[in-house]
Amino acid sequence: DQQVKQNSPSLSVQEGRISILNCDYTNSMFDYFLWYKKYPAEGPTFLISISSIKDKNEDGRFTVFLNKSAKHLSLHIVPSQPGDSAVYFCAASGSDFGNEKLTFGTGTRLTIIP
Amino acid sequence: NAGVTQTPKFQVLKTGQSMTLQCAQDMNHEYMSWYRQDPGMGLRLIHYSVGAGITDQGEVPNGYNVSRSTTEDFPLRLLSAAPSQTSVYFCASNPRAQGQGNEQFFGPGTRLTVL
Repeated sequence: DQQVKQNSPSLSVQEGRISILNCDYTNSMFDYFLWYKKYPAEGPTFLISISSIKDKNEDGRFTVFLNKSAKHLSLHIVPSQPGDSAVYFCAASGSDFGNEKLTFGTGTRLTIIP
Repeated sequence: NAGVTQTPKFQVLKTGQSMTLQCAQDMNHEYMSWYRQDPGMGLRLIHYSVGAGITDQGEVPNGYNVSRSTTEDFPLRLLSAAPSQTSVYFCASNPRAQGQGNEQFFGPGTRLTVL
């Protein structure tokens, strides 16, 4: 039972354009959501997060949008750069003390075409 | 700070052998966890610990043991390696401070092959 789903295994985007990565979740108890970026042969690195009390969080070129009613979140990267080529994982958890376990999606491989 | 470190980077085992994957962090984080990454499966939680002396099972704990005798170290033991345990293993930590987010910091990973 996949509680966090990333339905697009791969995505190719032209350099300079917007990249949109999507993530859906089924567990209503999740109220904290994160995006991680992973390069080959390296560990995942934290990118951006959002609490369920917000619907948008922005950090430079990266913006995460949360639609709680649809149980959907998305990561927007604008403008996309070649260094953004990586695998992106969506993750979810509770936000309470004691609910730190992260549940990950299966990842989306983003390729930025120069 | 070195952050989260893992050794070894690569390991090849024969079926039935045992080994320990090492993980250490120097950030005084209370929460530590082990994940495995397999193609098309994302990262799946094996075991986790909320502090020294406390461990619990994650999503895929069978065939693995952990212990947490110090805040810094969280080793993962494979008792009798099986080909199904061929994977990339990541250790992660989190400060677990009230009011902070659940961002976990990951190590560089150990690539394990079981023949």
